[in-house]
This record gives sequence, C-alpha cells and structure tokens, in this order.
Amino acid sequence: DARVTQTPRHKVTEMGQEVTMRCQPILGHNTVFWYRQTMMQGLELLAYFRNRAPLDDSGMPKDRFSAEMPDATLATLKIQPSEPRDSAVYFCASGSPGRTGEQYFGPGTRLTVT
Amino acid sequence: KNEVEQSPQNLTAQEGEFITINCSYSVGISALHWLQQHPGGGIVSLFMLSSGKKKHGRLIATINIQEKHSSLHITASHPRDSAVYICAVSSSGDKLTFGTGTRLAVRP
Repeated sequence: DARVTQTPRHKVTEMGQEVTMRCQPILGHNTVFWYRQTMMQGLELLAYFRNRAPLDDSGMPKDRFSAEMPDATLATLKIQPSEPRDSAVYFCASGSPGRTGEQYFGPGTRLTVT
Repeated sequence: KNEVEQSPQNLTAQEGEFITINCSYSVGISALHWLQQHPGGGIVSLFMLSSGKKKHGRLIATINIQEKHSSLHITASHPRDSAVYICAVSSSGDKLTFGTGTRLAVRP
C-alpha cells in the first residue's frame, strides 16, 4: 500500500529556531507539492516540483522558507528562522499528472512555534 | 471574493439522509477535485473530474462547466462520513486552489 510519508509528525520549537520537514513521495510519482493549512487561511499551496525541478514557489515566503528535492525520494521544507505565525499543519502530496492528476497526501507535520 | 466557494460551511445530518455539498468557482479550470479530511487530519482524494459525473460507492460528484459549479452527494449517510469536505480546482497545470471546506457531522 503505497503512501506519502512525512517526518516529523509533530514539532514544537521556539521562535528563531530552524525547522526542517521531510517528505517521501510515492515511488514513481514525479510531482511533489507542499501545502500549509491553518484555521484562518485553510489549505494553501506553498511550492511544487516536477521531476525534482521547482515549478512554482510563489506561495512561499522567500525570506525564511526554502523547499528542495535532493533526490526523487526526498523533498524537504525548511523554515529559518521560524516565527509563531508559521504554526500550522504542513502537508506534502505527490502525484503523477500524466496519468490521473490525482494527488496523494501525506499525514502532515503539525508545527507549533512558541 | 475567493476563487472557490463552498456551501454550506457546516452541515449536520441524521444517519441515512441524502447530503449535498456545493462548490462554485470563478476561474477557468482544467479539473475539479473533491477531498475528504478526516477528524484526525488526514486528507484523501475522493474525485477528480473535468466533466459530467463520477460515482464511487455512496458518493457521487457532478460538475457543470458552463455554470462553474460542482456538487458532492452522499447517499444513505453514515456517522463515518463525518469529516470536512474540500473542493479544489486546478486552472493551470497541477496547482490547486482550495475552498474553505464543509464540515459535515452525521448523527446516529
């Protein structure tokens, strides 16, 4: 049963600290998405990659957020320095747009910045 | 005004009732997605459609491209259907724009 995995599932950190979230997409999927969900804004796209190349990161605050795909099995989202307003659930999703366009979501990382 | 509007925001139903959740969008789209978010937070893709109607078990999704409107129907609702249902559209490539969700509670 192929799934998107994310680590950590929960993270509590102090303001100013660096946070790294990791995602392992489903093997064979060539598109990876990072989303953020908050009570106020709902789900928002932060960035996405196809074949490891960044296609759109317009939803991401550039000064503190960065997203990379070091290889096809790992995507990372980094926040440095973190701020309380970054507290949210961060979801990774993967998909294979050439087939159905469906996206498969990971369980999310719940981030709390104090 | 949001590009994707859902109604109602909250819905409570009795077990067995027929449920309809609506989604309207204001942009041209290549596809519309219905997602389900469980109380534990996990998100599952239910449907992706660009025309007509799709059915999976007790769930039916329809879309009217001319009217820029989609509906998600649940027949014979059950408490396990309690979740947040999210409509999302893709207008360019795979980028999704989300509605704010409809919180459904089905009472036994």
